[in-house]
Amino acid sequence: NAGVTQTPKFQVLKTGQSMTLQCAQDMNHEYMSWYRQDPGMGLRLIHYSVGAGITDQGEVPNGYNVSRSTTEDFPLRLLSAAPSQTSVYFCASSYSGDGQISGNTIYFGEGSWLTVV
Amino acid sequence: AQKITQTQPGMFVQEKEAVTLDCTYDTSDPSYGLFWYKQPSSGEMIFLIYQGSYDQQNATEGRYSLNFQKARKSANLVISASQLGDSAMYFCAMRDAYSGAGSYQLTFGKGTKLSVIP
Repeated sequence: NAGVTQTPKFQVLKTGQSMTLQCAQDMNHEYMSWYRQDPGMGLRLIHYSVGAGITDQGEVPNGYNVSRSTTEDFPLRLLSAAPSQTSVYFCASSYSGDGQISGNTIYFGEGSWLTVV
Repeated sequence: AQKITQTQPGMFVQEKEAVTLDCTYDTSDPSYGLFWYKQPSSGEMIFLIYQGSYDQQNATEGRYSLNFQKARKSANLVISASQLGDSAMYFCAMRDAYSGAGSYQLTFGKGTKLSVIP
């Protein structure tokens, strides 16, 4: 059971380049999310998905695209990288269960460190 | 809108002593969950403890306990018998009850950096 897998772990981009951060989970979770973490800011929600084919914006969606063609995968695309997108990115997945909130049902990937120069 | 406040940017504690990390929250939803995560220098997010708004008792997980004061909207993390390996960033987070799309998302505080002194 691999949990939530993010790739790549480290990436350096030039301004204007595009790239995709990959996120995959093998737990059949409906909910998947992308967060970014900046110094002193905590984690902020970029985009999320409540199931295949359904995505929506979070708190800081500008400059990012997502799609959810399968339950397992939730890639995050940077269309034209900017230095302001230098950050650590976390993918998370959640199990809805019976609708009850439960502590252990949010799983995080190990993070992807992105630097835009 | 939900809000999480962690007022302690950094904390020091002597090894083997107990330490309390503060967290206050604001939500209009009567049903919500509160989480604490640990982030060591390696960067991963490690789940520590969870408290539901309707839970009658304060949550405990080994050396971690959550001092939940609902009327004050506080959910402080207490770490007993601190160890050197406890040195890390600690984040408080909240999500509201399942009421539709997006409700399984977390709102995070800015974190507290805990340093354990030998």
